[in-house]
Amino acid sequence: EIVMTQSPATLSVSPGERATLSCRASQSLSSNLAWYQQKPGQTPRLLIYGASTRATGIPARFSGSGSGTEFTLTISSLQSEDFAVYYCQHYNNWPPTWTFGQGTKVEIK
Amino acid sequence: QVQLVESGGGVVQPGGSLRLSCAASGFSFSGYGMHWVRQAPGKGLEWVAYIRYDGSNKYYADSVMGRFTVSRDNSRNTLSLQMDSLSAEDTAVYYCAGTSNHYGEYWGQGTLVTVSP
Repeated sequence: EIVMTQSPATLSVSPGERATLSCRASQSLSSNLAWYQQKPGQTPRLLIYGASTRATGIPARFSGSGSGTEFTLTISSLQSEDFAVYYCQHYNNWPPTWTFGQGTKVEIK
Repeated sequence: QVQLVESGGGVVQPGGSLRLSCAASGFSFSGYGMHWVRQAPGKGLEWVAYIRYDGSNKYYADSVMGRFTVSRDNSRNTLSLQMDSLSAEDTAVYYCAGTSNHYGEYWGQGTLVTVSP
């Protein structure tokens, strides 16, 4: 069973600053890694899939990188609407199971 | 536009049953695998179950295996989750999500299930 570990649990950042979120897998995932954003009371929103491909309509300030066991989500210049919880997700091709990290909350500093 | 609308949530007693539904529109439902994901109050996301686009394969998280059953009706663009032997640990918002490429492309707004005496 793959375990996904995100760090830090909470990240305090000022608007306009860069945010770097980490996600580590207990075993190699290749590039089967996605990132989601969730705001309070809202549904998760797909940001990144394939570790580094932005989903449709996602601003260029969001970027993903990494492969194997170490992955990073970078928000280059935080906007007010970016303060939220971010989850990484391993998606297995077959069987098609999902494993989520515990989330990183990005809050206003 | 794409819509996934969950329904069927509510309050149920421990040991009881509940059936959730997810109505899909705006995309080719019969060509998409579908997942259920839940989120306990104040907690993270937990994968629950998956059903293949044609209903031929189903997979479950260990935490719900033997108690939950996922099904779909492609003629009605509807996904279902039958939940039996519910306990307090099943209290959560339940989301349905659609995928054609293994990750979660489309998500519903969720329906709240509360298991309480």
